[in-house]
Amino acid sequence: SAVISQKPSRDICQRGTSLTIQCQVDSQVTMMFWYRQQPGQSLTLIATANQGSEATYESGFVIDKFPISRPNLTFSTLTVSNMSPEDSSIYLCSVPRTGFNEQFFGPGTRLTVL
Amino acid sequence: SQKIEQNSEALNIQEGKTATLTCNYTNYSPAYLQWYRQDPGRGPVFLLLIRENEKEKRKERLKVTFDTTLKQSLFHITASQPADSATYLCAFPFSGSARQLTFGSGTQLTVLP
Repeated sequence: SAVISQKPSRDICQRGTSLTIQCQVDSQVTMMFWYRQQPGQSLTLIATANQGSEATYESGFVIDKFPISRPNLTFSTLTVSNMSPEDSSIYLCSVPRTGFNEQFFGPGTRLTVL
Repeated sequence: SQKIEQNSEALNIQEGKTATLTCNYTNYSPAYLQWYRQDPGRGPVFLLLIRENEKEKRKERLKVTFDTTLKQSLFHITASQPADSATYLCAFPFSGSARQLTFGSGTQLTVLP
């Protein structure tokens, strides 16, 4: 199984600022996913981050708001830009299990925007 | 568009009983469906995957069924324990992608001692 860590685990931010969330995996993976989980809601896929190419964003999510970096096969960052209270959520990264379809998830970053 | 629904937001059952959670989907025929467990403050943890050609899958006290005619999956926990209390999520792959998942809203299960 893959071990995934995220930093920070939580943060409280002011409106209009940006926060960069880091995701570190203990093994090399081609695909990494970023999800958002709004309070009381399920997970919604934001984007897929592939090493060496631009991230692929899902409907309703744009690069200007959620820029993603993927500098190598074990690391990715998601930035939440120009934050508003509506961005208050848990942000999770995940990776697929090699050769299988299930995913391993990080512990999440709980973001509160005031 | 694809839609996935779980039967209720919360389910309370007595310890020792069987918990049954329901996942219904529309506008799609997934090749497989997955179930995850999520504890507060943690990311989801994979439990079981069932493919469209499988009627039932078991793992210890867990059992999953998949009815492609009804477009429904049932998730059972037998001999439930308070430690089984968590939110359970069903998920299936995006159309055209085997790796990207869409999740149901989850059912919060509480097993009462």
